Amino acid sequence: DTAVSQTPKYLVTQMGNDKSIKCEQNLGHDTMYWYKQDSKKFLKIMFSYNNKELIINETVPNRFSPKSPDKAHLNLHINSLELGDSAVYFCASSTAERGGLDTQYFGPGTRLTVL
Amino acid sequence: RKEVEQDPGPFNVPEGATVAFNCTYSNSASQSFFWYRQDCRKEPKLLMSVYSSGNEDGRFTAQLNRASQYISLLIRDSKLSDSATYLCVVNNFNKFYFGSGTKLNVKP
Repeated sequence: DTAVSQTPKYLVTQMGNDKSIKCEQNLGHDTMYWYKQDSKKFLKIMFSYNNKELIINETVPNRFSPKSPDKAHLNLHINSLELGDSAVYFCASSTAERGGLDTQYFGPGTRLTVL
Repeated sequence: RKEVEQDPGPFNVPEGATVAFNCTYSNSASQSFFWYRQDCRKEPKLLMSVYSSGNEDGRFTAQLNRASQYISLLIRDSKLSDSATYLCVVNNFNKFYFGSGTKLNVKP
């Protein structure tokens, strides 16, 4: 029944480790996003994929690598984790209609804590 | 300058009060506008889209002023369940920019 799902919900790991977060949407949307919400609650876009193609890549360290095996999935792999990577990561999807009249649906978030 | 700016609050209001939030955006070419609601430790959820003519959904009214690059949300007859953070969102060519949110606490 879940529209946008993410796993895991919580992730606690040591500095320097590599970890992945998975996202899946069953809404039939063409566009998926990754956002980071830091401790000040500011939600910032990281990446966007449309039909498996990268369309938005904000100034994110290249330790972060998104992968979209198909338009329903967008995974996020993070190498060499740093303390500053601790945040809540939200996946979202939208229809990305022309004119920007679409809306976004968010996953429940993955709370990443780097020790 | 941030793309979207909001007063972080918190706004502490009694049940039944009317409360208004404002938001300004920097890019005059922005195409669409939204208010999202985020509960503590939850994901943002769409509250309503904002149209130039203004729109209403029950107790919620949203207004857009393109000339002043300003968006507002009015909540009438506040309920305890309205307590949340309200995020102003602006879309520029499929990039969504979020404000940092305005926190609302509705007290009994």
